[in-house]
Amino acid sequence: DTAVSQTPKYLVTQMGNDKSIKCEQNLGHDTMYWYKQDSKKFLKIMFSYNNKELIINETVPNRFSPKSPDKAHLNLHINSLELGDSAVYFCASSLMGSGTDTQYFGPGTRLTVL
Amino acid sequence: AQSVTQLGSHVSVSEGALVLLRCNYSSSVPPYLFWYVQYPNQGLQLLLKYTSAATLVKGINGFEAEFKKSETSFHLTKPSAHMSDAAEYFCAVRRGGGADGLTFGKGTHLIIQP
Repeated sequence: DTAVSQTPKYLVTQMGNDKSIKCEQNLGHDTMYWYKQDSKKFLKIMFSYNNKELIINETVPNRFSPKSPDKAHLNLHINSLELGDSAVYFCASSLMGSGTDTQYFGPGTRLTVL
Repeated sequence: AQSVTQLGSHVSVSEGALVLLRCNYSSSVPPYLFWYVQYPNQGLQLLLKYTSAATLVKGINGFEAEFKKSETSFHLTKPSAHMSDAAEYFCAVRRGGGADGLTFGKGTHLIIQP
């Protein structure tokens, strides 16, 4: 009964490849996010979606394309991977209008680009 | 824009001693503040949140935090540290409303000495 799940947990790939990370939540939330955690553990928001619509795009390169097929899923596709894309990517979800809009995070996907 | 600053990238305490992790915020509006914990190779778990209902907030695992507007602080405390508290702790502030996401501090690595 995992609340926010991500697949895969680990992803190792070569520069220039294209890869996807999937996220699913079963909390009934309507808003989902992607965060990037760099090697110094700094967390920064990348995207947010509300009811499948893009709300936030924090100056992320066009190589990153999120897709939300429904409110429970938010996937992240990355084209032409670069060394600097190596990081841990976290998905999160919240329910808008629930007061604090508390976000619940997935376990993360560690992406290593060689 | 809302921001948070965590003082001390590393804090070391003895088992059984008081834990104090510092967080100061900057916000032009009443902030929504959060503390998250990240255990090694895991996702972020919500410890507690400030929603303006009460200035002293109790969270999980014996942690609590006090919101002090005059000091723009939201420090995290625990009376008696346990070895299992060793982790990375993040203070965060909601960026705006709706689906704007969170702005995180740089994190504090808590070390528990036996």
